[in-house]
Amino acid sequence: DAGVTQSPTHLIKTRGQQVTLRCSPKSGHDTVSWYQQALGQGPQFIFQYYEEEERQRGNFPDRFSGHQFPNYSSELNVNALLLGDSALYLCASSLVGLAYNEQFFGPGTRLTVL
Amino acid sequence: GDSVTQMEGPVTLSEEAFLTINCTYTATGYPSLFWYVQYPGEGLQLLLKATKADDKGSNKGFEATYRKETTSFHLEKGSVQVSDSAVYFCALRGAGTASKLTFGTGTRLQVTL
Repeated sequence: DAGVTQSPTHLIKTRGQQVTLRCSPKSGHDTVSWYQQALGQGPQFIFQYYEEEERQRGNFPDRFSGHQFPNYSSELNVNALLLGDSALYLCASSLVGLAYNEQFFGPGTRLTVL
Repeated sequence: GDSVTQMEGPVTLSEEAFLTINCTYTATGYPSLFWYVQYPGEGLQLLLKATKADDKGSNKGFEATYRKETTSFHLEKGSVQVSDSAVYFCALRGAGTASKLTFGTGTRLQVTL
């Protein structure tokens, strides 16, 4: 049973560019959440997608956007990259409807903005 | 808003020593509480959880008790091993916030022989 997978593993961009990160949820899961983890910090919630719609959003600017596809996979897009966007981006999947919908995390995508 | 405060690391212990990592939280209502572990180069793994006051979560020798009166969820292990070296994150899921998790800043544990 494949867990949560993310691509690419590492990415280097320059300021002002745009980036797309991808996530495939654990088999059977229908909800994807994205987190940003800056170096030495805990993950910060960006947003969550369920039924192809953004269901909840954290305190991130509109430069951060996402999408969920019919197969439940998801993309995170960041426009007009800033140096401060350098971080590990984590995707987590879960299944709505369970009494306790545990989130399973992927290994992350390390984004470096130069 | 919701927040989690963890003791700063790194915490360096000898093998078989007793471990405590302090965690306190601020939240409205009755949140669920979690400890996640992150090994080098890997994503987060759920270590244990507690969903209501006085619950004790336990896994792999680690324990934590949900104390509403002190808003705490301290992680303990009686005898650590070198393989326990990792970063530990305390987190909460607020009531009515679906799956959104709020994390502390993490505590790095290094266990030496």
